[in-house]
Order: sequence, then structure tokens, then C-alpha cells
Amino acid sequence: KNEVEQSPQNLTAQEGEFITINCSYSVGISALHWLQQHPGGGIVSLFMLSSGKKKHGRLIATINIQEKHSSLHITASHPRDSAVYICAVDSRDDKIIFGKGTRLHILP
Amino acid sequence: EAGVVQSPRYKIIEKKQPVAFWCNPISGHNTLYWYLQNLGQGPELLIRYENEEAVDDSQLPKDRFSAERLKGVDSTLKIQPAELGDSAVYLCASSLGLGRGNTGELFFGEGSRLTVL
Repeated sequence: KNEVEQSPQNLTAQEGEFITINCSYSVGISALHWLQQHPGGGIVSLFMLSSGKKKHGRLIATINIQEKHSSLHITASHPRDSAVYICAVDSRDDKIIFGKGTRLHILP
Repeated sequence: EAGVVQSPRYKIIEKKQPVAFWCNPISGHNTLYWYLQNLGQGPELLIRYENEEAVDDSQLPKDRFSAERLKGVDSTLKIQPAELGDSAVYLCASSLGLGRGNTGELFFGEGSRLTVL
């Protein structure tokens, strides 16, 4: 079992839909990252959080430390949101553990 | 401010040839990472530097891979000799390194895509 699990692995939705991507982890962490990677592109940091909730534009990230779970939400999704979304955690032994990513495809 | 800069963006070589990748992290970032990413997979750590010290190189195939960060700023990753299975994207990332296991926000370069023929 991977230490960082994301679901779903793949998600196709219509433009305008509300999107939720989930991340569960099994190790103690000091922080969690949500990253975005467009096809053929580099990786961009969306959020780093250790508690509560953060919002940036149409993106919202939440984390529940007790339940070891985080979610990334996209409101009013748009085709340009199509990308791979990666959850990664800073483990307490100084390692970054990556999930396998969620491939999101937003149809116009 | 410039982000993490990597070069070359693309490299095609024949097997058994050497190749080198260069990374210039964001100014002031103590922590530098080299990752390997295969198509459809997440990044896999090759080596992590804190300043000029390699603090985690446990996943670096040391028979053919080497890396250095001599002055604690930019870094090079070398493969010699390259094998067919080394074809991948090599990503460099940097962070402030906040201590106590907290990396701080991660900044990635665009990656160097290696094709070994």
C-alpha cells in the first residue's frame, strides 16, 4: 500500500462542474503539497498546507490532520484546468512522498 | 524573479554516451532536489542537497549517476554511461527548507527530457 493514495486516478468532467480530488496518507507529516502538472510541462506548486483550508482563485485545498486526509476542489472547472494533480507530503523523517497523481480532463 | 532553471530542455543520445544536466535553483533556496519522472508516474527522488551536502542519495544509482553542488548553489547531474532505461524527464526542484521536516513551498524547473537510443 502506498503511503500517499490519491483518488480518483482519472477524472473526466464537463466544463463548469465542481471537482474534488482526494488524498489520504498513512505517515506523520509536517505539511502537504498540492501540485499541478500540465502535459509536457513542469510541476507547479498550488498549495502547501499543514492545517485548515486555503483558497486561491477557483482552487480550494483542505486538510484534516486527525483523519490524514486532504482534498483539492476546483469550482467552475474549465478546460485549462486539465492536468495531472499530485499530492505530496513532507514526512517527519525529512522525505517528500508523492502520490501517483490524478489525471483530470475537463471537456468544453 | 527567475524560477528554477534547468538545461538542456531536451537531450537525445545513444546508449553508453555520457550526459549532464544543469540546475540553477531559486536564489536563497538551501534545499535542492533531483527527481526522475517516467511517463505517467510521479517524481522519484534521486538526490537531495542541503546547501552543498548531499543529505539523501539513497536512491541514486551510484554506478552510473553522479551529482554535485559544489558551492551550494547550482547543481549538475551526470549519467555515464547512459542506458536505454534512463530515458525519462529529470526534474530539479528547490525549496527554502524550513526545518523539522518541513520543506517549504516546492519550486520545480521545466525538466530535462532525456531520450537514450
